[in-house]
Amino acid sequence: QVQLVQSGAEVKKPGASVKVSCKASGYTFTNYNIQWVRQATGQGPEWMGWMNPNSANTDYEQKFKGRLTMTRDTSISTAYMELSGLRSEDTAVYYCARGNGAMGYWGQGTLVTVSS
Amino acid sequence: DIVMTQSPDSLAVSLGEGATINCKSSQSVLNSSNNKNSLAWYQQKAGQPPRLLISWTSTREPGVPDRFSGSGSGTDFTLTISSLQAEDVAVYYCQQYLSTPRAFGPGTKVDIK
Repeated sequence: QVQLVQSGAEVKKPGASVKVSCKASGYTFTNYNIQWVRQATGQGPEWMGWMNPNSANTDYEQKFKGRLTMTRDTSISTAYMELSGLRSEDTAVYYCARGNGAMGYWGQGTLVTVSS
Repeated sequence: DIVMTQSPDSLAVSLGEGATINCKSSQSVLNSSNNKNSLAWYQQKAGQPPRLLISWTSTREPGVPDRFSGSGSGTDFTLTISSLQAEDVAVYYCQQYLSTPRAFGPGTKVDIK
């Protein structure tokens, strides 16, 4: 069965970077885009961007450009999302999801807390 | 960028009654390559990731009860729950995936009356 398993919760200081991993199993990793979505407490989901694991091509939401990097390691079917220059408003649960359009499979989420 | 709006913000429905959620996109989400509207509906329960219910406006995902149905075209879309069950209490989001950024609507909270 398709599974996306994310790395554990992180606590970071303002200005630091965070790198969240998303390990895929149950399907051919390079056949589907990985999208990243974040959700602050009590807010709706916010789409961050997507990556094609086959080509490594990416497309980031404009507000994150310059701070967001999506990468992958195809040898271990794992996608990564790195966000730099963290600020308090980046505190949220970060999800990876599989899908070239609609997102049919989601990771369990990774809580990133930014606090001094 | 395409902006998504939803109405109402919340609604409370008696068990067994129907619920209707509306979603509007700021521009057409019609995919000209397959003539389908790139509109999805997600259900999110507390503490869980969103769950894809419907894609391409009206195509239910495997395992989604048939009391959930989607309709619409162009810029106006609807999610209907025909007979609300207790397990349907959740927040529902629409999302367009025609273009990036792939915006979500603000959500509609569904409760039991």
